[in-house]
Formats: sequence, C-alpha cells, structure tokens
Amino acid sequence: GNSVTQMEGPVTLSEEAFLTINCTYTATGYPSLFWYVQYPGEGLQLLLKATKADDKGSNKGFEATYRKETTSFHLEKGSVQVSDSAVYFCALSGNTGTASKLTFGTGTRLQVTL
Amino acid sequence: GAVVSQHPSRVICKSGTSVKIECRSLDFQATTMFWYRQFPKKSLMLMATSNEGSKATYEQGVEKDKFLINHASLTLSTLTVTSAHPEDSSFYICSARKTGLSYEQYFGPGTRLTVT
Repeated sequence: GNSVTQMEGPVTLSEEAFLTINCTYTATGYPSLFWYVQYPGEGLQLLLKATKADDKGSNKGFEATYRKETTSFHLEKGSVQVSDSAVYFCALSGNTGTASKLTFGTGTRLQVTL
Repeated sequence: GAVVSQHPSRVICKSGTSVKIECRSLDFQATTMFWYRQFPKKSLMLMATSNEGSKATYEQGVEKDKFLINHASLTLSTLTVTSAHPEDSSFYICSARKTGLSYEQYFGPGTRLTVT
C-alpha cells in the first residue's frame, strides 16, 4: 500500500534560517504529492502540490520538487519567519479513479524563534 | 475561499454514551467528505469516505456500526461515535471535496473527543 515517511520533529530554527523537511513515499503508479500546513488551532491547509515527476510546487516561499527517482518530495524554504511556525504534513494521493484518498506522513512541527 | 467547519470543537462524554460531530462546507457544495482520526504524534488516518446520498465507504479496520456516518446534504456530513469508550478519545478531522472535477480536499479544524 501507499505510505509516506517524513522526518520527525520538532524542528527549531532561528528566523531567516534555511528550512528542509524531508519526505519520502512508497506508492504504486504515479501519485500526486502534497504538503499541508496546520497552524495552531486551525485546520490543515494545502501549502503546495505536484502532480507528476519533476514538477515543482511552490507557495509563500516554500518549494518542493517531485523526484520519482528518489521517491522524495522534500519541503524547502530559504528564509523562515516566526509566522511559519506550524505542523507540516507530507501526503500523497493515487491518481486512479475518483477516490483520491490522501495518505499522510506523521507531521513535522516547526518552531521558528527570533 | 473554501471553508469547512466542525462542531463541536471539543467534547467530553461518558463511557457508553454517543456523540455526534458535524462537518459543514460553508461556501461550497461537497459531494464527497472524508473523516480522519489523528492520534498524538501520529499521522491522520482515513476512517471513511462519505458520499452525499449514499452509504459511506469505510477503511479496513474501522467499525461501521460504531462510527456512523451520514451525508444527507451537499454541505453537511455527521460522524456519530456510538457507545463511546476511552479508547475512542482522539482528534477527529473532516475534509470536503468540491463537487466537480477538483480533487483538492479542504479540511475542518478538528474535534477533540475525550471519553471519560
């Protein structure tokens, strides 16, 4: 079955530091890949996505590239802000049929300090 | 936007009682809604897929008689935890997918259930 593995947190960074959160996956076929963010007290929000190999998703300064050869979708940001403190979830969904079920990683908490 | 609400945000109930959680899409119609359960420091686990006007599809290992799902309209799905026990205590999250070709899911803020 499908699975997603992401690095355990928490990750603590100073403001303006470079961020990488690793994510690797196991799936059959050609899944779509997602990063969701959950701010304190709020629901999950889609941060970015990529639907095929070599696609790069980007939003709010965050980027992730769909690497089929390494089955990875690592999240990066060049300069984090305190407001980026949240829990980040890597996820995938199969592209077959309309079920589009999401399989999530365990989430990585990011804490950014001044 | 695409806003999904859940009610209540927190609920405490006694063992043996039932509790209902509502999931509403506030500004769009959702043919399909999903119910997830999140354990501490664990990923979200899909419990069931709810389709408007039809029976929900449950994931393997999820008791359909214990977790009753109703999706009576295009903006409302409910999850009822029947005869709750302490091991049902968890964070329950719903998501909704817009009617049409979009596959994106919009998530609610979650409901914290504590069974005493």
